[in-house]
Amino acid sequence: GESVGLHLPTLSVQEGDNSIINCAYSNSASDYFIWYKQESGKGPQFIIDIRSNMDKRQGQRVTVLLNKTVKHLSLQIAATQPGDSAVYFCAENRARQLTFGSGTQLTVLP
Amino acid sequence: DVKVTQSSRYLVKRTGEKVFLECVQDMDHENMFWYRQDPGLGLRLIYFSYDVKMKEKGDIPEGYSVSREKKERFSLILESASTNQTSMYLCASSPPGDTEAFFGQGTRLTVV
Repeated sequence: GESVGLHLPTLSVQEGDNSIINCAYSNSASDYFIWYKQESGKGPQFIIDIRSNMDKRQGQRVTVLLNKTVKHLSLQIAATQPGDSAVYFCAENRARQLTFGSGTQLTVLP
Repeated sequence: DVKVTQSSRYLVKRTGEKVFLECVQDMDHENMFWYRQDPGLGLRLIYFSYDVKMKEKGDIPEGYSVSREKKERFSLILESASTNQTSMYLCASSPPGDTEAFFGQGTRLTVV
């Protein structure tokens, strides 16, 4: 079946290093993707989105890359800080629904 | 700021009880969603609604129903709670089109 958001479950990085969180999707018709951050005890919060007519989009300290050829999405966080520790989800928005993967727990080491 | 408010942060209910989870959004969004979140499984869509009095099944609707009598309010109903419905429940809303959804803080439901 089709799926989105196949994540590695955990990622640990040193404070100040760059983080890269990856996501694979299987539906080639997917045309809009979102990255969410979920801190402990809170609901997911929007970080950045990208449409399928783009390869790259940048925000503040974050960059999302989309490779439609291999159906891969990544979130890059520059100069990772302790406050970046959270679970990160990629999600596909199609047919008015958001489909999420299992998420990646990012841990920032001192 | 968009605000999605879920009526309870924590709930403990007994097996067999009928449970109501309430969600209210203040941005006049057409779309509203209910998800459950379990470790290792991410967020799974239970039900969603595009308009008042309409509803659509998501990926895991069994054991749940919903009600949308007003645009701003979307209720999730567990007809007869079971222990396998112990989970974090998240409500979200969004405007039409390809756009982000805004989430509430979640309700952690424990069924004993």
